[in-house]
Amino acid sequence: DGGITQSPKYLFRKEGQNVTLSCEQNLNHDAMYWYRQDPGQGLRLIYYSQIVNDFQKGDIAEGYSVSREKKESFPLTVTSAQKNPTAFYLCASSGHRGNWSPLHFGNGTRLTVT
Amino acid sequence: ELKVEQNPLFLSMQEGKNYTIYCNYSTTSDRLYWYRQDPGKSLESLFVLLSNGAVKQEGRLMASLDTKARLSTLHITAAVHDLSATYFCAVDSNYQLIWGAGTKLIIKP
Repeated sequence: DGGITQSPKYLFRKEGQNVTLSCEQNLNHDAMYWYRQDPGQGLRLIYYSQIVNDFQKGDIAEGYSVSREKKESFPLTVTSAQKNPTAFYLCASSGHRGNWSPLHFGNGTRLTVT
Repeated sequence: ELKVEQNPLFLSMQEGKNYTIYCNYSTTSDRLYWYRQDPGKSLESLFVLLSNGAVKQEGRLMASLDTKARLSTLHITAAVHDLSATYFCAVDSNYQLIWGAGTKLIIKP
């Protein structure tokens, strides 16, 4: 079955360490997104990519980095520069935006930094 | 800057009752999405509304879009416990989605 796989489901890190969250999709989607969700809040866009080897900053990109070397993969690195990294991170993908198809989401990674 | 406001943010209701969640947005858009999120889980697409007057229904849920009023509604008919979740609306703005804060819905038996 096609879908989006995020790993790991839970991640614990010490403050000052970089950490990379994995996101893989087999939906053949062009666009991929990373969102952050804090308790009781909506989603905020971190980075997005419409095509391989290209990505754009979202609303809260500071302290995060991404790469898009393959169509299927869009890993997110949470760097030590991110001041408050503890959150639920969701990866999503979509087909060509002109089709206005909804986003497909992975199951998320819950990151806790102490 | 496009803003999306949902209300109420929290709703506790009895099974069998009807209720409506509202999603207001601040600038012109013809494309609005509704998603559901269960606690600790990912988001599931419910409805895609792509034009003024669009109405979509699935089971006990019905969504509509009024682009002139910049308003979408999600109506719940004869609520059942399984509909307990957080519901988000998201508005398309230049190919980016702007999200509401979500409405946490609790349906009591």
